[in-house]
Formats: sequence, C-alpha cells, structure tokens
Amino acid sequence: NAGVMQNPRHLVRRRGQEARLRCSPMKGHSHVYWYRQLPEEGLKFMVYLQKENIIDESGMPKERFSAEFPKEGPSILRIQQVVRGDSAAYFCASSPGATDTQYFGPGTRLTVL
Amino acid sequence: AQTVTQSQPEMSVQEAETVTLSCTYDTSENNYYLFWYKQPPSRQMILVIRQEAYKQQNATENRFSVNFQKAAKSFSLKISDSQLGDTAMYFCAFIRSGGGADGLTFGKGTHLIIQP
Repeated sequence: NAGVMQNPRHLVRRRGQEARLRCSPMKGHSHVYWYRQLPEEGLKFMVYLQKENIIDESGMPKERFSAEFPKEGPSILRIQQVVRGDSAAYFCASSPGATDTQYFGPGTRLTVL
Repeated sequence: AQTVTQSQPEMSVQEAETVTLSCTYDTSENNYYLFWYKQPPSRQMILVIRQEAYKQQNATENRFSVNFQKAAKSFSLKISDSQLGDTAMYFCAFIRSGGGADGLTFGKGTHLIIQP
C-alpha cells in the first residue's frame, strides 16, 4: 500500500514564475490537507479538500495561492508569481475521514531565487 | 482558535535513557485528538502516537507513551530506552473533532538528540 506521494521533491523557481505541487493521497483516502513549513518552524495548515471540494482554506493566503482536488488525479497546490517568502517545505497529508489520523507525504521543498 | 506550545526547543539524552517531551495546548473544545509526530533529518513526518480526548487511558505504542492530563491541557510524550534512531524533531499536534476543519495545529517542535 503506497503512502502519500508528492512531486516534485524539490522545485526551484525564479521570482514571478508559477509553482505547481502535486499530491497523490493514499489509496482509499478522500481527504487531503496541505501544510507549509518554514525553516525552524512547525507546520502551518493551509487548506483542506475532499474530492472536488474545498472544505476549509482559512490558512491559505488570499492571493496567488490556490488548491484543487479533482475527481480524477492528484491534488494540486498552485502558487502564482512566486516571491522569495514562498520558499518553504510544503507537505500534503491524507486521511480516510475528517477526524482520522493524517498521513504525510515526503514534502516538496520550494526554493525561489 | 487552538494553540499548541512546546516549551523545550532542544533536549539531549544518552542512549537507553528515558526522556519526556512536554506539550500544552489551549482550546475551548471538549472533543478533540492529540498527536505526536516525528520528523527525522529526512524531513518525512511520521506519526508516533495518537490520543482521543474522550479516552482517559493514556495511549502507548511500544517504547512511546503519553501522559494526557485533560484538565491541565497537557500532553507529554515519554520515550523509554531511547535509541539513536529516535533523534529527530518531535511535534505535538491538535485537531478538533467534528469535521477536521482547520487541519492540525502544530507546536514549534522539540529537537531531540540521542547521544551514543
């Protein structure tokens, strides 16, 4: 049973470019969460999605950030016009239900030059 | 809003010793779940242990156990017979029950170093 998959593992972008981060949840999991981890910090919740629906995006910046979890395919976190402050590790987690344990992917480390 | 506080930025113990990591939280919720996650140098987040707030019995997973004090809003992690592979960042996390909205709230972490 494969775990949560994230790709790419490392992503380098120049200021102003777009970053697309992908997350494939564990088999049987329909709940996906995205978190951001800045250096020397804990993880901060960004957005919670179920298939085709955004349930809670209260932790996501209002501008430049968007997330989706289509009926088919992985969940995507999209960051438009990246800035240096977006440099961080972005983690995806999945769970079979809303209050079930969340299992994390290996993360995508985004570096903005 | 919930907050999670880990007051020990770093701890260091000798191999085979027992170590306790502390965590306190603040919430007005009555039903919730608490977790300890481990993040080794690989950066992968690994679940260590989970506690349901409605359960009085403290959770145990092999060498890992918790001391859950609901009234005091305290949730400490005890690692017995510590091993070199336990060296990692340890994060305490909270999620309220009833929908999972807001996701997990994490503390800032404790860097645990196991010395040979």
